[in-house]
Formats: sequence, structure tokens, C-alpha cells
Amino acid sequence: RKEVEQDPGPFNVPEGATVAFNCTYSNSASQSFFWYRQDCRKEPKLLMSVYSSGNEDGRFTAQLNRASQYISLLIRDSKLSDSATYLCVVKNTGGFKTIFGAGTRLFVKA
Amino acid sequence: DAGVIQSPRHEVTEMGQEVTLRCKPISGHDYLFWYRQTMMRGLELLIYFNNNVPIDDSGMPEDRFSAKMPNASFSTLKIQPSEPRDSAVYFCASGDRLNTEAFFGQGTRLTVV
Repeated sequence: RKEVEQDPGPFNVPEGATVAFNCTYSNSASQSFFWYRQDCRKEPKLLMSVYSSGNEDGRFTAQLNRASQYISLLIRDSKLSDSATYLCVVKNTGGFKTIFGAGTRLFVKA
Repeated sequence: DAGVIQSPRHEVTEMGQEVTLRCKPISGHDYLFWYRQTMMRGLELLIYFNNNVPIDDSGMPEDRFSAKMPNASFSTLKIQPSEPRDSAVYFCASGDRLNTEAFFGQGTRLTVV
């Protein structure tokens, strides 16, 4: 079983839609969680960290459920520019080991 | 700061040849990561260093792969001999304990024919 699992998608949504991605992780001792964004043929870049209490950054909301070992990303009012691959990231205890999920592809269409 | 710098950006080589990928992390970062990305397997962590010391190389696929970090400003990932299944984008990333973000280089697109 992979340490971090995501639905690969693709998710095809119209502009203005709300879309949610989930990600599960296998290591219950994982400490830190993030969402990264990767545009086509580019490097991944940090989108936002995920805190236990949940956090919001504009149209983006991230949540963590430690009991069920999953994290989520909600995008409201989708824009064409949101089209990208969204990578779930887990940082494990005992070090700085940073594990990426395979990513979920999002296409926002006009 | 110029960010994480990787070279070359593209590499095409014949099966059996040695390939060396290079990375210059962001100055002051004490962690360095090598990742490989393919359509089939996504972004896989190969190895990471802390203060130039390899901490976890469990992701290195086999003995044909080796990585070194001779100093804080330079790391290499070597494949010898290369095989077509090694074709992928190889990313280097760096970070520090105080900053949760890992900063990525632009990657090296390797094609082994």
C-alpha cells in the first residue's frame, strides 16, 4: 500500500464550481501535511499547509482528519487558472522525510 | 536567491551510458531531496540528505543509482548504467527545519533510448 494515496482524477468542472479532493495516508504517526500544486511540465510548489483545526486561504480550504487519516482540499468558485495537478504531501516523524501523493488532476473549463 | 538550480534541463542518452544529474540547493538550506516523477508512479522520493549526510535512501530503485552531496552547495545523482525505464523527470528540492516548504528545482527530463 502506498504511504499517500489520492484519486488521480481527472476532475473536469465548469468555472465557478466547487470541487473537493481527498487524500489518505497510512502512517498514523505522520506529523505535517500540505497541498502542493504542479502545473504542466513545471515543478511542484507549495499551495498551503494543513493544520489540525483546518485552515482557509481565500478560495481554498484544507482540513485534516487524524482519526481517519485523511486530508482534504476544497476549492470554491473555480477559475480557469486553477487547472493543475494537486499533490497531497505528508511529512513523517523522526525526520524530514517528505512523501508526495501521485496527484489529482483538475481541469476547469469555461 | 536564484532558487534550486538543476542541470542539465534535458538529457538524452543511450542505454548503458552513465548519467549524472546535478543540483545546487538554496543557500542556507540543510535538507536536500531527490525525487523522480513518471506518469505511472507519480513523484517518488529517492533519497534525502541532512547537512550533506544521506538520511534515507530507501527509495533508490537499485544499485545502478547513487547520490552524493560533497558539500552544502552541491549534490549529484548518478545512474550507471542507464536503462530506458529510468526515463523520467528528476527533481531536486531543498528545505530547512524552520521552513515547512520544500523548494523544487525545475527538474531534469531524462530520456534513455
